Amino acid sequence: DAGVIQSPRHEVTEMGQEVTLRCKPISGHDYLFWYRQTMMRGLELLIYFNNNVPIDDSGMPEDRFSAKMPNASFSTLKIQPSEPRDSAVYFCASTSVYGQETQYFGPGTRLLVL
Amino acid sequence: QKEVEQNSGPLSVPEGAIASLNCTYSDRGSQSFFWYRQYSGKSPELIMSIYSNGDKEDGRFTAQLNKASQYVSLLIRDSQPSDSATYLCAVNRGSNYQLIWGAGTKLIIKP
Repeated sequence: DAGVIQSPRHEVTEMGQEVTLRCKPISGHDYLFWYRQTMMRGLELLIYFNNNVPIDDSGMPEDRFSAKMPNASFSTLKIQPSEPRDSAVYFCASTSVYGQETQYFGPGTRLLVL
Repeated sequence: QKEVEQNSGPLSVPEGAIASLNCTYSDRGSQSFFWYRQYSGKSPELIMSIYSNGDKEDGRFTAQLNKASQYVSLLIRDSQPSDSATYLCAVNRGSNYQLIWGAGTKLIIKP
């Protein structure tokens, strides 16, 4: 199994630019989570999906953030326009109803907004 | 009060000793409890999960759960330098698979 795949692994952009982060969950997993991690705020849940449907997006910081899951094998997190305070590591994780709630994390995307 | 609290550390333990990591949670309805390890620059990975009161052992790791006192702990026996990492406690309050995360405890094992 390839595990959760995220791209890009690193992203450096300028303030105001659009950023798109991508995630491919583990095949067969029906839950997908987007997290943001910073030194100050730790690991924060942004949004999660079940069977491609967004269940809870209360962690999305503001309207500049949006997430989609068009099919079971692909999700995107978009920031438009990006700001320096969005600089963080963004993780995608997936799990299955048969997996005893264990979340498997991707390698993360390190985002730096200048 | 945070929902899941951990001492941020760093916790420094000599090699070969027992490292004890603690976590408290506020919601008495919490059902599932997890310890994740995160090396610097890497993603979190599951170490232990525990669902009922008592101890659960896996190799050098033991998770302890006390629902009455609302705490969960992780013991690492015979600590090795490779155990140096940040340990994250996570709690599931219900059946929606959403985890509430602690801020993590940084553990340093000194050779």
